[in-house]
Amino acid sequence: GAGVSQTPSNKVTEKGKYVELRCDPISGHTALYWYRQSLGQGPEFLIYFQGTGAADDSGLPNDRFFAVRPEGSVSTLKIQRTERGDSAVYLCASSLQGTGTDTQYFGPGTRLTVL
Amino acid sequence: AQTVTQSQPEMSVQEAETVTLSCTYDTSESDYYLFWYKQPPSRQMILVIRQEAYKQQNATENRFSVNFQKAAKSFSLKISDSQLGDAAMYFCAYRSLNAGGTSYGKLTFGQGTILTVHP
Repeated sequence: GAGVSQTPSNKVTEKGKYVELRCDPISGHTALYWYRQSLGQGPEFLIYFQGTGAADDSGLPNDRFFAVRPEGSVSTLKIQRTERGDSAVYLCASSLQGTGTDTQYFGPGTRLTVL
Repeated sequence: AQTVTQSQPEMSVQEAETVTLSCTYDTSESDYYLFWYKQPPSRQMILVIRQEAYKQQNATENRFSVNFQKAAKSFSLKISDSQLGDAAMYFCAYRSLNAGGTSYGKLTFGQGTILTVHP
């Protein structure tokens, strides 16, 4: 079946603008994760959904970042008043049940550039 | 909090040779998973191999195997018969199995090792 997809592939915006990044998980996967990967670094956890609710949002850096998953499938990561430091690749992953033994399958990421 | 350290920013290997990538981690938990992910230039993270901490036997997947030393908190990846397609960034990652803990669900990644394969 289809893997995790993310749109757009690349996004260039200006400082202060609002952006939305979309993630389509693997069909039937109840758990969805967002990570942020700065250049030359490993991904860092942002938020994890179990169904429609955020099970852990401890990685969101500040209140400019928000994510939703209203129907338990597609998720949108929203960034307000973007800053140059937000430039990174934003990765989405999904897993079947969100248990510790699940494998997380990653999408290709969205590269966000804030000018 | 758990931490994962990859001390080799870059490694290189000749095609058909063997290379070992190092990873150490720090945790106070006893139940967890460890993973190696591969990230080619396409950015897509691909799971290479995983190891359950409660299993003493080292995991193997075709040309990929791990050396898991729980007491030393070490988890290295050995790639045998290296191929040009193995060239990528490799990440070691930790995942807690403690459902009541703060790290449950999420992966904690190391800084990565860039692997170059020479023909």
